[in-house]
Amino acid sequence: AQKITQTQPGMFVQEKEAVTLDCTYDTSDPSYGLFWYKQPSSGEMIFLIYQGSYDQQNATEGRYSLNFQKARKSANLVISASQLGDSAMYFCAMRGRDDKIIFGKGTRLHILP
Amino acid sequence: DGGITQSPKYLFRKEGQNVTLSCEQNLNHDAMYWYRQDPGQGLRLIYYSQIVNDFQKGDIAEGYSVSREKKESFPLTVTSAQKNPTAFYLCASSMFGGGIADTQYFGPGTRLTVL
Repeated sequence: AQKITQTQPGMFVQEKEAVTLDCTYDTSDPSYGLFWYKQPSSGEMIFLIYQGSYDQQNATEGRYSLNFQKARKSANLVISASQLGDSAMYFCAMRGRDDKIIFGKGTRLHILP
Repeated sequence: DGGITQSPKYLFRKEGQNVTLSCEQNLNHDAMYWYRQDPGQGLRLIYYSQIVNDFQKGDIAEGYSVSREKKESFPLTVTSAQKNPTAFYLCASSMFGGGIADTQYFGPGTRLTVL
């Protein structure tokens, strides 16, 4: 069975510092996609970044990058130069061969001024 | 502006009533999804539809029903059979409904409270 684990329920980080949010996954599918979403207090889920299991390079989107370590089944989100507006819940998700997306339980990030 | 709209933003229901949550998208996406989110939890899939007039049950379909008569619309009815419907409901859509890179985009959500 597929599984996503986010071990950090909450994190506090000083503004302008870099942040790493952990995500590990478990799947027997050879081909899968990994996603990160941001959920501010308003509730909407905002897509941040995608990494395919066969992608050779780590994905980057502006201040977001995905540290993909396939052998460790790890897909950590890195936010560079954090801002107050980055305070939110962050969810890691995976899509496998059955086309369903499964979500982790999330990490709540607090950026301190 | 292309996007996904959900209405209402807040909904209050009395015990024993059915309520319908609206979801509309103008992204020309083939697939649409409904998720439920409980406090401190991730998302759980209720129903999804990859094509008009067809839909499949997700992991927690009991007590819910859907229809997909138009590509743009995927309303969710929470029936009186749903034992604990108070939750945050999120609608999503994706271009194809399949493939590992098929990204889901979400609406703003509806918060349902049963009184």
